[in-house]
Amino acid sequence: DTGVSQDPRHKITKRGQNVTFRCDPISEHNRLYWYRQTLGQGPEFLTYFQNEAQLEKSRLLSDRFSAERPKGSFSTLEIQRTEQGDSAMYLCASSLRDSSFNFGSGTRLTVV
Amino acid sequence: AQTVTQSQPEMSVQEAETVTLSCTYDTSESNYYLFWYKQPPSRQMILVIRQEAYKQQNATENRFSVNFQKAAKSFSLKISDSQLGDTAMYFCAFMYNAGNNRKLIWGLGTSLAVNP
Repeated sequence: DTGVSQDPRHKITKRGQNVTFRCDPISEHNRLYWYRQTLGQGPEFLTYFQNEAQLEKSRLLSDRFSAERPKGSFSTLEIQRTEQGDSAMYLCASSLRDSSFNFGSGTRLTVV
Repeated sequence: AQTVTQSQPEMSVQEAETVTLSCTYDTSESNYYLFWYKQPPSRQMILVIRQEAYKQQNATENRFSVNFQKAAKSFSLKISDSQLGDTAMYFCAFMYNAGNNRKLIWGLGTSLAVNP
């Protein structure tokens, strides 16, 4: 499978715990995006990488959220001290120079 | 500000029939792209079709076609010969370049049910 892969598919965590998600983009794609999606809504932009550089962060990304893409390949999104409001689907997408975004299957986070 | 409006929260169609999902957008950008994405219950966002704003010809992908009316800022999706596997949430999205970033603006989606 040469698409965008995300791990894990599902994560249930207790409030206050830290969680980390991983995204492996399509190998030649230099652009990587993280989105958050809640039920009944379209995706909301969180952050964007071009190669290893994080070029933009949404105001939605509070200080508890951090994302990295250390070698310009895979990326991680960490949420510290999770809150119930963090429960959502976290989507990763990658693209090359053209306009197409390729999405992964997402990580569904449930904070209990 | 860029906005995307999908005015039909839910739609249904009988298998083998044709259905049209509507989408309007608002922008002051001159160069942009428009997309329809499908999100089935598995939740993976799948690209259905895309349209470059500078192209007058409507994009088609097999049973999926769009009616792109640039002046009216309208971008509807037509699904012909609907199949059960077309049941999904459909999102219209608008993309433009913002500095080093490409911004994707999403509609709220239309839930399509294809009935046997």
